[in-house]
Amino acid sequence: GENVEQHPSTLSVQEGDSAVIKCTYSDSASNYFPWYKQELGKRPQLIIDIRSNVGEKKDQRIAVTLNKTAKHFSLHITETQPEDSAVYFCAATNQAGTALIFGKGTTLSVSS
Amino acid sequence: GAVVSQHPSRVICKSGTSVKIECRSLDFQATTMFWYRQFPKQSLMLMATSNEGSKATYEQGVEKDKFLINHASLTLSTLTVTSAHPEDSSFYICSAFDSYEQYFGPGTRLTVT
Repeated sequence: GENVEQHPSTLSVQEGDSAVIKCTYSDSASNYFPWYKQELGKRPQLIIDIRSNVGEKKDQRIAVTLNKTAKHFSLHITETQPEDSAVYFCAATNQAGTALIFGKGTTLSVSS
Repeated sequence: GAVVSQHPSRVICKSGTSVKIECRSLDFQATTMFWYRQFPKQSLMLMATSNEGSKATYEQGVEKDKFLINHASLTLSTLTVTSAHPEDSSFYICSAFDSYEQYFGPGTRLTVT
């Protein structure tokens, strides 16, 4: 089955700096890679996703890159703000409608 | 976006009792729903896949007789934690897929005393 590894587990940056979180996956059939932001006690919120036919996707300060050959994908947050502080999870799935397999999460702290 | 609700949001029960959690897709039909469990400071772990009109598929290590799943309609799946123990205390989250994206419920915080 799919296995998703996520690094780092914690990340501290200064406001305005960039933050990068990396994930690798094991199942070469995986074709959908979402990123979620989760605040304490709340549901995960989708912040960006990428499908296997695209190498990069950007939405304002957030971007995701995908390298299918190496089986890794990354989340890039530029110009970080204190409100970006949260736990971020990557996930992967190999078929529409199937369950997501999550990475272990990254706790991002942005200090002002 | 699509909306998934869960009820209750919080529940406290005594050890040995059973607790039912409901997951509803409010504005779309979901033939498949998923149940996740999240312990403090950990990731979401898939427990089972709930299939409308058929038996649920459980992940390895999840006891199907303890975590009963019923998906009787296209908008409702229920998870019943039977004979709950303190180690079952966790955050339970459901999700439903609307053919493009998965939508998560707000979660249910279960505390077993």
